[in-house]
Amino acid sequence: AQRVTQPEKLLSVFKGAPVELKCNYSYSGSPELFWYVQYSRQRLQLLLRHISRESIKGFTADLNKGETSFHLKKPFAQEEDSAMYYCALGTRRKLIFGQGTELSVKP
Amino acid sequence: NAGVTQTPKFQVLKTGQSMTLQCAQDMNHEYMSWYRQDPGMGLRLIHYSVGAGITDQGEVPNGYNVSRSTTEDFPLRLLSAAPSQTSVYFCASRPTGQGEGYGYTFGSGTRLTVV
Repeated sequence: AQRVTQPEKLLSVFKGAPVELKCNYSYSGSPELFWYVQYSRQRLQLLLRHISRESIKGFTADLNKGETSFHLKKPFAQEEDSAMYYCALGTRRKLIFGQGTELSVKP
Repeated sequence: NAGVTQTPKFQVLKTGQSMTLQCAQDMNHEYMSWYRQDPGMGLRLIHYSVGAGITDQGEVPNGYNVSRSTTEDFPLRLLSAAPSQTSVYFCASRPTGQGEGYGYTFGSGTRLTVV
């Protein structure tokens, strides 16, 4: 089955603390994984894709095929990082989203 | 270049009513899709289209109908609205030739309430 699981509905941290948003996937083929971000009732924006191995806004994510994970990390959270984060799996013709994790960064 | 435009932004329907959510893109993207977003469930794919005249079902197609007569437009029709269809609906598009997730552009969403 093709599935994306984000186990945390809400993650609350203080400004300057490290952040890790968890994502696990289930897919029999070679996965294409992404992180999307949605700021307060705005449209979804692509944050990261595993193939490019880039760092955006200080966020990084490493694909671990052995653990079937693609966790999103940032060493020092900022208040402007508060948003909904969605992990997504790209399959043939479809983009499958996880349930989403709301990140709240407190001052 | 407006990207992906969704109308209306907000809508309240009575149970049993029908309506069409509009989605238009001006990027000449062949692939278009509709998602619904519900708390705790993420985004779920309703229908998608890989080009004009071609549509297919996603994860939650029941109660919805789509057609794709032009490359630019991909309307979503609610045949007989039910309270369970209260949700935020997002349209997304991307050009073909790119992998899933590459270059997806999302609309700003339609917030639908069925009473």
